[in-house]
Order: sequence, then structure tokens, then C-alpha cells
Amino acid sequence: SQQGEEDPQALSIQEGENATMNCSYKTSINNLQWYRQNSGRGLVHLILIRSNEREKHSGRLRVTLDTSKKSSSLLITASRAADTASYFCATDNQGGKLIFGQGTELSVKP
Amino acid sequence: NAGVTQTPKFRVLKTGQSMTLLCAQDMNHEYMYWYRQDPGMGLRLIHYSVGEGTTAKGEVPDGYNVSRLKKQNFLLGLESAAPSQTSVYFCASSPLLSGVYNEQFFGPGTRLTVL
Repeated sequence: SQQGEEDPQALSIQEGENATMNCSYKTSINNLQWYRQNSGRGLVHLILIRSNEREKHSGRLRVTLDTSKKSSSLLITASRAADTASYFCATDNQGGKLIFGQGTELSVKP
Repeated sequence: NAGVTQTPKFRVLKTGQSMTLLCAQDMNHEYMYWYRQDPGMGLRLIHYSVGEGTTAKGEVPDGYNVSRLKKQNFLLGLESAAPSQTSVYFCASSPLLSGVYNEQFFGPGTRLTVL
């Protein structure tokens, strides 16, 4: 069963624009994590936000968490062609076991 | 540090054959995981381990077995491969620091095709 549902499934933008991806989940969580996957490669961790946090930043990335709405968003500012990848949210609600969403496929056109 | 490595990178099996996928990590992490990823989907947890000598079932464990005889290695076995097990398999590891769960570090994946 997939806990996280991501929206949109695909997003195409121009370089320099901002990209926003959303993730909704069903049960209470310990933390929520965002990962990036380039085509044919393994996943790379981007940000972890814990259930008692509301916002986190890392470089051009901003993640928000609303536990009352069971949702999170990932914002990539000033996107670059190199940001083209699939982005997954994953929730940890049971001792380190992650449940992944289906991902958002981001395409950044130069 | 090599991080998380997986062998082999590619494999083609015939239905009914067996094989073992090896995952190794050099970060002294307690937790290790095996996932499968099917086209257009996120990762699904097959089995995981919270320490040397321990394993537990994940979301989709049927048809797979695992072993963790050494802290740095986590093996995934397919006893009798089926076409439904055609997938990309990812291994990951994670530290447990002061009782807090953290990010997972992923290997590059093994692409398995079962004919």
C-alpha cells in the first residue's frame, strides 16, 4: 500500500522557474523525507522533516509539513536543467521503515 | 568510502532459477533495507534488518529471503524466480543515532529480468 500520493505526476517547466511538488499521506508519521532519482540511478536523499517541524530549507530546496492536513510540499527555486529527475516523498511512521509515493517526474527545459 | 554497493548490476534469469543479490555498506549503519521498484511506481519494501543477525518482513516479502550474517552485508535471495519478480532492486542503509531514525543511503540498483 502506498502511503504517500504525489501531485502532480509530471511537471514541465523552464529553467529559472520554481517547481512545487506536493505529497499527501494517510497516517501519522515520525518524519517525512524527500528523495531525488535521476533516470536509471539510485535515490539520493534531499531533506528530512520531522513531525514537530513545519518548514526546512536546504540550498534551493524548501520543504513544508502540515500534519493537520497530512501533507507536505517541496519547492525548488530557480530550477536548472540538472534538476530534471523524479522526486519521491517517503513517510516514516513505523520505526525507520519508509513508505514511498509514486513520485513526480520533473522536466526542466533549458 | 564506497557507501552502499550492490552486485550484480544486471542479471537475466529463467523462470525457476535462483540467485542472490549482495548489498554491502561501509558506513557502519545498523539498518539495512531491500526495495523493489517497478515502472512508474515508487519503491516498495521487501525485507529489512535492524542489526546483524536480525531480519523482518516488509510490504512485499513473498518469494524472497534475506540474511544478515555480518553488519555490513545484506543478502536478498530468490529461490525460484518468477516473471513477476522482474524489477529494479535497491538496497539502502540507515544509521540509528540516539534512537532517532534518519535518512537512508541507497545503492545504484540491480536490474533483474526473469524470462
